[in-house]
Amino acid sequence: EAAVTQSPRNKVTVTGGNVTLSCRQTNSHNYMYWYRQDTGHGLRLIHYSYGAGNLQIGDVPDGYKATRTTQEDFFLLLELASPSQTSLYFCASSAARGTEVFFGKGTRLTVV
Amino acid sequence: QQKVQQSPESLIVPEGGMASLNCTFSDRNSQYFWWYRQHSGEGPKALMSIFSNGDKKEGRFTAHLNKASLYVSLHIKDSQPSDSALYFCAVVTNAYKVIFGKGTHLHVLP
Repeated sequence: EAAVTQSPRNKVTVTGGNVTLSCRQTNSHNYMYWYRQDTGHGLRLIHYSYGAGNLQIGDVPDGYKATRTTQEDFFLLLELASPSQTSLYFCASSAARGTEVFFGKGTRLTVV
Repeated sequence: QQKVQQSPESLIVPEGGMASLNCTFSDRNSQYFWWYRQHSGEGPKALMSIFSNGDKKEGRFTAHLNKASLYVSLHIKDSQPSDSALYFCAVVTNAYKVIFGKGTHLHVLP
């Protein structure tokens, strides 16, 4: 099964701080995604990418930057973190458009 | 912007019963539809896909798609307590986005 590894698994930061969430997939998938999951909102797409150096804007991009440095690695950057960004963040990958999406185990971020 | 809506928000069925989950989408150009399941403390995992109008059966699970009506559903026959989870409908857009609904909490009572 496709492996998607996220780090850290838990993170607490202060308001105004900088946070980087990391994601690595080892299945040579072209597509990678960042979602946030909040009660009452389901999974919301933040950013996605279909290859190294490519970045596409999702549905809730405000306050987030992302970088896809290699085929395997996708990072989510929160500059000037705010309490509204407290959430469970999932990274995911898929081989091609329309194929199964594989999720990591999630990163729980708390902004105090 | 693609909108994916699921109903009901929560569903309780007895063990052995039938669970029916509904999903509507807004973009008529959508082509790929998936159902995902998430157990507590885990990431979502794919359950099944459906790409053509009609029914698709995999074991106890049957997905139904009607693109003209912008509607997809999932039916779980002979529900088991282990089926208790959060179920998501996911729709793939022409822009390569994978958009999820808010989910349906399914509770199967022994």
